[in-house]
Amino acid sequence: GQQLNQSPQSMFIQEGEDVSMNCTSSSIFNTWLWYKQDPGEGPVLLIALYKAGELTSNGRLTAQFGITRKDSFLNISASIPSDVGIYFCAGPPFGSSNTGKLIFGQGTTLQVKP
Amino acid sequence: DTGVSQDPRHKITKRGQNVTFRCDPISEHNRLYWYRQTLGQGPEFLTYFQNEAQLEKSRLLSDRFSAERPKGSFSTLEIQRTEQGDSAMYLCASSPSGTGNEQYFGPGTRLTVT
Repeated sequence: GQQLNQSPQSMFIQEGEDVSMNCTSSSIFNTWLWYKQDPGEGPVLLIALYKAGELTSNGRLTAQFGITRKDSFLNISASIPSDVGIYFCAGPPFGSSNTGKLIFGQGTTLQVKP
Repeated sequence: DTGVSQDPRHKITKRGQNVTFRCDPISEHNRLYWYRQTLGQGPEFLTYFQNEAQLEKSRLLSDRFSAERPKGSFSTLEIQRTEQGDSAMYLCASSPSGTGNEQYFGPGTRLTVT
């Protein structure tokens, strides 16, 4: 079945640094979603992307829908301690856009050192 | 506007017991999803409702699992004869139809089977 691969698996950075992470698939996606999850909580939607090449920002977060439609990128600028968490990419597998069910990557764990 | 709520937040049960979880979606959302998340993994799709109709079930949803959404509002997920492998976070999400694939998650129910 379709899978989403996220890299890196984890990151440990200094407060104030910029962060980049990505998500790739062997097949095409028509939608890319980025979520953040804190321990013991549900994922929170950060950014939604619907068009190849689209670049969308949400505060210090910027995400891009890859032109090949097989990847997406998330950047966080000037990281702060509350950026700590697990970041997931997600999207509807091929043929399921009408139901909207999502498949998720395995996550990128971000730790920020003050 | 309140978000998606789930009850209980935590449940500890003994193997072989039945458990039931409740999800209240965002009030105007007619799509409702259940996912399961184990440690170190992204959420995995279990089932999907459009109003009161259960339109899709994952192969992950064994015969011991049943979900309902009787009036198209709240939903329940029941697990019969729980097994230790059922220990996981059970997440509910909702979305309005026709807005792409953006799903909004509840805080989850953490199930521990001893």
